Amino acid sequence: GENVEQHPSTLSVQEGDSAVIKCTYSDSASNYFPWYKQELGKRPQLIIDIRSNVGEKKDQRIAVTLNKTAKHFSLHITETQPEDSAVYFCAASLTENTGFQKLVFGTGTRLLVSP
Amino acid sequence: EAGVTQSPTHLIKTRGQQATLRCSPISGHTSVYWYQQALGLGLQFLLWYDEGEERNRGNFPPRFSGRQFPNYSSELNVNALELEDSALYLCASSLGFRRGNTEAFFGQGTRLTVV
Repeated sequence: GENVEQHPSTLSVQEGDSAVIKCTYSDSASNYFPWYKQELGKRPQLIIDIRSNVGEKKDQRIAVTLNKTAKHFSLHITETQPEDSAVYFCAASLTENTGFQKLVFGTGTRLLVSP
Repeated sequence: EAGVTQSPTHLIKTRGQQATLRCSPISGHTSVYWYQQALGLGLQFLLWYDEGEERNRGNFPPRFSGRQFPNYSSELNVNALELEDSALYLCASSLGFRRGNTEAFFGQGTRLTVV
């Protein structure tokens, strides 16, 4: 079945600390894993993504790691800043019987960075 | 390049009425997703269209329906509105499976309020 689990649902950190959000997926054929950030009152926006042929990808203070064997992937934010406060969604591609792929989203993590 | 656009931005309906929400994908995108985001909650998958056909639907009653037009724009219809249908409805588009890219871009959403 299609399922993407995301933990934790809420995460509070102090400015400068690191934050880690974890997701697991069920479809072993999944090959695309994006992360979205949704600030209050705004649309979700892609912040980083990774494909199954890569184990890790970094972009400044954010990084994503992928463990295909365990079917889980994580978002790492270092040196957090108050503007990192938002809801973060992970997603995984799911291949339908028809061969079409769609994105299935996790339930979201509300990150609060306190000054 | 224009992003994903949704209309209207806000919609107020009374219980029992019908609501029609519209989405225009990014030019060249054939895949359109619809999500419901109730206040404080995650993205609940509603419908997925690709190349003019419905590819999958989420766990929503049949009064949630939609279609995709030949120009790949899409419409979401909600019949017999109930108070709990009040939510932000987000549309996202992507290139579609046949182009091998599932990166999705979101519209700004339609805020539906049922009174």
